[in-house]
Amino acid sequence: EVQLVESGGGLVQPGGSLRLSCAASGFTFSSYWMSWVRQAPGKGLEWVANIKPDVSEKYYVDSVKGRFTISRDNAKNSLYLQMNSLRAEDTAVYYCLVAASARGGFDYWGQGTLVTVSS
Amino acid sequence: DVVMTQSPLSLPVTLGQPASISCRSSQSLVYSDGNTYLNWFQQRPGQSPRRLIYKVSNRDSGVPDRFSGSGSGTDFTLKISRVEAEDVGVYYCMQGTHWPWTFGQGTKVEIK
Repeated sequence: EVQLVESGGGLVQPGGSLRLSCAASGFTFSSYWMSWVRQAPGKGLEWVANIKPDVSEKYYVDSVKGRFTISRDNAKNSLYLQMNSLRAEDTAVYYCLVAASARGGFDYWGQGTLVTVSS
Repeated sequence: DVVMTQSPLSLPVTLGQPASISCRSSQSLVYSDGNTYLNWFQQRPGQSPRRLIYKVSNRDSGVPDRFSGSGSGTDFTLKISRVEAEDVGVYYCMQGTHWPWTFGQGTKVEIK
């Protein structure tokens, strides 16, 4: 059974940093592009970042470019999102998922982890 | 960025009646490999999203056949042939053709 379990969310002050983690199981993690998607409270969905299996390619939406870094550890079946210089508008539930969800591949979402940026 | 525009944004429906959601993209969603990466996601209240339809018209496993997707190029439609109570939620179209991948604003389906 495919499982994606996000963790690391919490309350952080504007300008602060946070590192999200996603533990993956039930599939060959090292073979798949992975992604982060976020959803502000009561709002729509935003695809944030993608990372290639061998980490040679990473893509970011403009709103987080230069502040967020996506990474992975294939030996640990884990995906990460390092978030720096956080802003109030980064407040959201962050989901990790397999990027192939956007292109017809299998679609699994975790429960998400809530990041709140507030003083 | 490709803008995905959904209509309507709110859709009250009578149980057993059909429903239709439109999605238009600001650019063609045909990718260089010939595929059109247009997906539909459902988000029930309090739940994570799940995909219903991929590549315009392919239903995901376990998705009832009352859901169907159609369209091409820049115009796409999600139809529910007979709305059931479990269909309440927000529906998003999403394109995976051009980076950054983008979602529509969402259409809230509720029962009248």
